[in-house]
Amino acid sequence: GAVVSQHPSWVICKSGTSVKIECRSLDFQATTMFWYRQFPKQSLMLMATSNEGSKATYEQGVEKDKFLINHASLTLSTLTVTSAHPEDSSFYICSADSGGASYEQYFGPGTRLTVT
Amino acid sequence: GQQLNQSPQSMFIQEGEDVSMNCTSSSIFNTWLWYKQDPGEGPVLLIALYKAGELTSNGRLTAQFGITRKDSFLNISASIPSDVGIYFCAGLPGGGNKLTFGTGTQLKVEL
Repeated sequence: GAVVSQHPSWVICKSGTSVKIECRSLDFQATTMFWYRQFPKQSLMLMATSNEGSKATYEQGVEKDKFLINHASLTLSTLTVTSAHPEDSSFYICSADSGGASYEQYFGPGTRLTVT
Repeated sequence: GQQLNQSPQSMFIQEGEDVSMNCTSSSIFNTWLWYKQDPGEGPVLLIALYKAGELTSNGRLTAQFGITRKDSFLNISASIPSDVGIYFCAGLPGGGNKLTFGTGTQLKVEL
């Protein structure tokens, strides 16, 4: 099946710094990519939807200036957590939509962010 | 945002037993999906359902799309240790591409 990768798989950063997470579709072109956040023992919550070449659409309550999303190509989307704080520590997961049947969203392995 | 309610929240079963879990929503979905997530990994799609009343199998897994389009069920037969993990349902509205995830059911299997 289609493969989605994320980099890094885990990152520790100091409070106030910024962190960039990459999401790549390895063997297909993704018209749409999605970013989720998952806190321990909780479900996945959609943060934003990004389409290649256009601005991301953020879900209610998600600060777009804090979570910068760039979808520069059909195989790469990045999420930058700016001025990170300990409460931003979470598991960030991306998914990619190949543009076929709407169920065909393939998830990446996730990135564990810890802010100290 | 909205979440779908899953039950049970967790279950501890013996190897070889059958497992049932369900997912309910206050709103209608046109597609129901079931995912499994292992610790520290992203979700993996198990079964997709597209029509009310549809019953679909994938090996030992069987899922059903409820007739009201507001619920779905997942059954696992003859559970094995590798079935351990968290199972999530997810719904897609008509014409939309944003998944709404359920609260999850954690499955633990005793040897």
